[in-house]
Amino acid sequence: DAKTTQPPSMDCAEGRAANLPCNHSTISGNEYVYWYRQIHSQGPQYIIHGLKNNETNEMASLIITEDRKSSTLILPHATLRDTAVYYCIVRVGAAGNKLTFGGGTRVLVKP
Amino acid sequence: EAQVTQNPRYLITVTGKKLTVTCSQNMNHEYMSWYRQDPGLGLRQIYYSMNVEVTDKGDVPEGYKVSRKEKRNFPLILESPSPNQTSLYFCASSLQAGTYYEQYFGPGTRLTVT
Repeated sequence: DAKTTQPPSMDCAEGRAANLPCNHSTISGNEYVYWYRQIHSQGPQYIIHGLKNNETNEMASLIITEDRKSSTLILPHATLRDTAVYYCIVRVGAAGNKLTFGGGTRVLVKP
Repeated sequence: EAQVTQNPRYLITVTGKKLTVTCSQNMNHEYMSWYRQDPGLGLRQIYYSMNVEVTDKGDVPEGYKVSRKEKRNFPLILESPSPNQTSLYFCASSLQAGTYYEQYFGPGTRLTVT
């Protein structure tokens, strides 16, 4: 699985959009970008994934650059409950379902 | 409600006393897995199961056993717990293995071995 780089932390104002960057410059053509989050010591929660097109669901949007070397997770209207560690993971779909979490970005949503 | 449940949520035990952490999912998922999470080491896979009666080692299987007799249950067994198994444990499930289905995680079991 390709290595990912995320900023260790960021703050966001409640009600504003939170933009979380992820660098994955060594991504290969068959690797997907996944985002999970973990709210303090709870089980990780799936957010969204994509291959090359931008994706949106009820939780977030995922923007992947054309060269696929980086992506951005967008939480459109951050709430206090979005305070969590966000993990960007790049993996091949057929590699089995093991998830390898890196350091992630610790997001603090402030009132 | 679709969910993965784990029991117990918290457990303090002594070295050598066998214990079992249960995991159950109600989503008819084929794939189930156990992870442990330790500060600075991230989430590491212990064992996984592709389907009933099919289990395999993950990255850190030493000291653990699992079984998958039914599709919904995937218990984690520590035959002789040691202090280095003090950790936060998560069970996860996914619709199928080998594809890009998302994983659903349980709430976690915090284990302390003294």
